[in-house]
Amino acid sequence: KNEVEQSPQNLTAQEGEFITINCSYSVGISALHWLQQHPGGGIVSLFMLSSGKKKHGRLIATINIQEKHSSLHITASHPRDSAVYICAVRWRSGGSNYKLTFGKGTLLTVNP
Amino acid sequence: GAVVSQHPSRVICKSGTSVKIECRSLDFQATTMFWYRQFPKQSLMLMATSNEGSKATYEQGVEKDKFLINHASLTLSTLTVTSAHPEDSSFYICSAKPRGAHNEQFFGPGTRLTVL
Repeated sequence: KNEVEQSPQNLTAQEGEFITINCSYSVGISALHWLQQHPGGGIVSLFMLSSGKKKHGRLIATINIQEKHSSLHITASHPRDSAVYICAVRWRSGGSNYKLTFGKGTLLTVNP
Repeated sequence: GAVVSQHPSRVICKSGTSVKIECRSLDFQATTMFWYRQFPKQSLMLMATSNEGSKATYEQGVEKDKFLINHASLTLSTLTVTSAHPEDSSFYICSAKPRGAHNEQFFGPGTRLTVL
């Protein structure tokens, strides 16, 4: 069964700390998404990766295709970064099927 | 940037009534839209894939007669929850894949449905 696993499930940090959230998946993928979901529920797409590394502001996402692993890093974390971060993948075996498989999410709380 | 809207953002209805939720891509054409359901403290679960001009493909366990999906144009898909029951109360989210895109999807803000 194709699976996506995230760790940690919950993460509490102090403002300013460097944050890392991990995502592992079981088989080859076409793309990996990192999403952010705030308590209100709406989802924001942070990154889409198929290889290498992307950076946007204080957020960095990396992916290692050989190891089937991706990380989301937040530098100089801030209380407004508190949210659920979700990893989602599109399996390579899906062909023209574009649907995503989601991890269970990481709840990040950044305290002032 | 690509924006997806949903309407309404919140809806409360009585048991037995039907509720329609709209998902619109505001600045791009979406050949494929996806409907998800999210229960509290759980991840998103795909309900169905909607391709413009054709019938939706439902995931196993999702009743197609209960959750009617229409994708009549390249910018609009609708999900109608028919004969809603309290167990249908959930957060419904859509996403849209732009025409020509291979992996990109853009998510809507979600609709909170409460069935009394």
